[in-house]
Amino acid sequence: DTAVSQTPKYLVTQMGNDKSIKCEQNLGHDTMYWYKQDSKKFLKIMFSYNNKELIINETVPNRFSPKSPDKAHLNLHINSLELGDSAVYFCASKKGEGTEAFFGQGTRLTVV
Amino acid sequence: KQEVTQIPAALSVPEGENLVLNCSFTDSAIYNLQWFRQDPGKGLTSLLLIQSSQREQTSGRLNASLDKSSGRSTLYIAASQPGDSATYLCAATGNQFYFGTGTSLTVIP
Repeated sequence: DTAVSQTPKYLVTQMGNDKSIKCEQNLGHDTMYWYKQDSKKFLKIMFSYNNKELIINETVPNRFSPKSPDKAHLNLHINSLELGDSAVYFCASKKGEGTEAFFGQGTRLTVV
Repeated sequence: KQEVTQIPAALSVPEGENLVLNCSFTDSAIYNLQWFRQDPGKGLTSLLLIQSSQREQTSGRLNASLDKSSGRSTLYIAASQPGDSATYLCAATGNQFYFGTGTSLTVIP
């Protein structure tokens, strides 16, 4: 059983399209995150939700909109995709402060 | 703002060697320090979590230490194996995870 699962694993799409990436965790965790890993492999926070409430929203273009329908899900919707959006996007979750984080397998987004 | 640095950026060792990966962070007000492993094209696998009140954690051939006062953590890998080849990331935890840039480890058979 996968603890944090993301779909799709790979996504190739054209510039200007709108796409969504889904994330689900079956760990009963309260906090979920989206991270972006760039071509240099650096991981940077995008969003964080705690109990469906947005608590971190870094300087991310407003084309990116997270949605948390319930505690177990945090989806990422991206409008008007640009070439620079190509990256690997990771979802993560943890129970609370000071607890271990678990990451999904990542979604490799390629915008052509 | 928390900044996390990992040295070296890349490391190549023969099989069987013991090695140390370094992680430094600028803000000592952290909840914990977590070490991850990332294989090419894969996600992050948690290796060890050290709470801010702890000094070290061990799991098999891995030992991680934490010195909050100096803003440093080390990951010690004993008797390295080719299967240890991967990128190792440390993350200092506050309200989010602040990642280092990683150390790419290659263990040569």
